[in-house]
Amino acid sequence: GQSLEQPSEVTAVEGAIVQINCTYQTSGFYGLSWYQQHDGGAPTFLSYNGLDGLEETGRFSSFLSRSDSYGYLLLQELQMKDSASYFCAVRDGAGGSYIPTFGRGTSLIVHP
Amino acid sequence: EADIYQTPRYLVIGTGKKITLECSQTMGHDKMYWYQQDPGMELHLIHYSYGVNSTEKGDLSSESTVSRIRTEHFPLTLESARPSHTSQYLCASSELVNNYNEQFFGPGTRLTVL
Repeated sequence: GQSLEQPSEVTAVEGAIVQINCTYQTSGFYGLSWYQQHDGGAPTFLSYNGLDGLEETGRFSSFLSRSDSYGYLLLQELQMKDSASYFCAVRDGAGGSYIPTFGRGTSLIVHP
Repeated sequence: EADIYQTPRYLVIGTGKKITLECSQTMGHDKMYWYQQDPGMELHLIHYSYGVNSTEKGDLSSESTVSRIRTEHFPLTLESARPSHTSQYLCASSELVNNYNEQFFGPGTRLTVL
């Protein structure tokens, strides 16, 4: 089976930097993804890490350490519109599975 | 912008009714999924499909059924709706490229069963 742990809530102020951590336990591992979901909306893809290291996409970066079964999403120059839930997801690839398992989500609240 | 659509967006029905939630995608993806999500909670996989005529149950026990007769269409049916089915239902599709499996989600159907 698989399990993921991420904080339930993180708060920060506009312009700040925030890091959302995700630790996972899987029988196999085929990558860590991050999704953003605004209230009442659908999840949208943010990033994917298949190998160790940092991936950067604009203000968002994602990091993976497979040896530590750990990753994080880094959001820089926070804006009010970044207030949303952020989900990490892993795919263990067992039996050719393409099914990701999602974490419980981290609610990010950005204050002015 | 993902080309995946769900109808209806909102539905309020009485207990015991049969309903079908529609999901269509125009990206030609083989893999499609249905998730159930309560407000502020995680996504629970209820059904998935790897292609036409392929359907599997997910981790969350569900009284719903799905069909996949065409690549682009993956409807979910509740034979007899109950108040416990009140939730948001999200449809998604994906394609594996270079071992990478980004999921594209539809806008969701918010179901209320009275």
